[in-house]
Amino acid sequence: NAGVTQTPKFQVLKTGQSMTLQCAQDMNHEYMSWYRQDPGMGLRLIHYSVGAGITDQGEVPNGYNVSRSTTEDFPLRLLSAAPSQTSVYFCASTEIPPGNGYTFGSGTRLTVV
Amino acid sequence: AQSVTQLDSQVPVFEEAPVELRCNYSSSVSVYLFWYVQYPNQGLQLLLKYLSGSTLVKGINGFEAEFNKSQTSFHLRKPSVHISDTAEYFCAVSEYSSASKIIFGSGTRLSIRP
Repeated sequence: NAGVTQTPKFQVLKTGQSMTLQCAQDMNHEYMSWYRQDPGMGLRLIHYSVGAGITDQGEVPNGYNVSRSTTEDFPLRLLSAAPSQTSVYFCASTEIPPGNGYTFGSGTRLTVV
Repeated sequence: AQSVTQLDSQVPVFEEAPVELRCNYSSSVSVYLFWYVQYPNQGLQLLLKYLSGSTLVKGINGFEAEFNKSQTSFHLRKPSVHISDTAEYFCAVSEYSSASKIIFGSGTRLSIRP
């Protein structure tokens, strides 16, 4: 009964480094998404996926890549980290349509120095 | 495309007082509506949802919300708040046609004073 699992919980990167934030869900949800949360700006959608092999951009996709090779996993890649990407990142999943709402992971706090 | 506006960034209230957190949305099609709560240093938890049917929706922790289609609003209410309700609250909307893509408001920070 894990729900949505995000790793790592905390990460510090240097400018220009790359890394992958992991997200996995065990509820067989078709829809998965990544958000970033910044003070006063709520949650902004980065990328989303409606099924394996299908991804699309959200509101703030620049600087991030995603892929969806399986129903369970939806990793978020930062190819060259920038200080502007310092944020808290949340992964969320749901069915299509979202009758039961979204299930969120516990978040990854990323600092880029 | 859908959008969500939470009219108050912060709402201070006294314990046991009633509270209303306001949310307005914009969409040209039918929508699902949600309220989420985020306690300090935690993820988001679903408070309640409107899918269809009765416009008054009851959620967890004594909260309720009313869907008003003519005013495109989905305000959250609680008749008597407790210290433990201190949190940030997010309104969110998903269009029927959007395959579950959901857009969040900027959040309302509810602070309860003893």
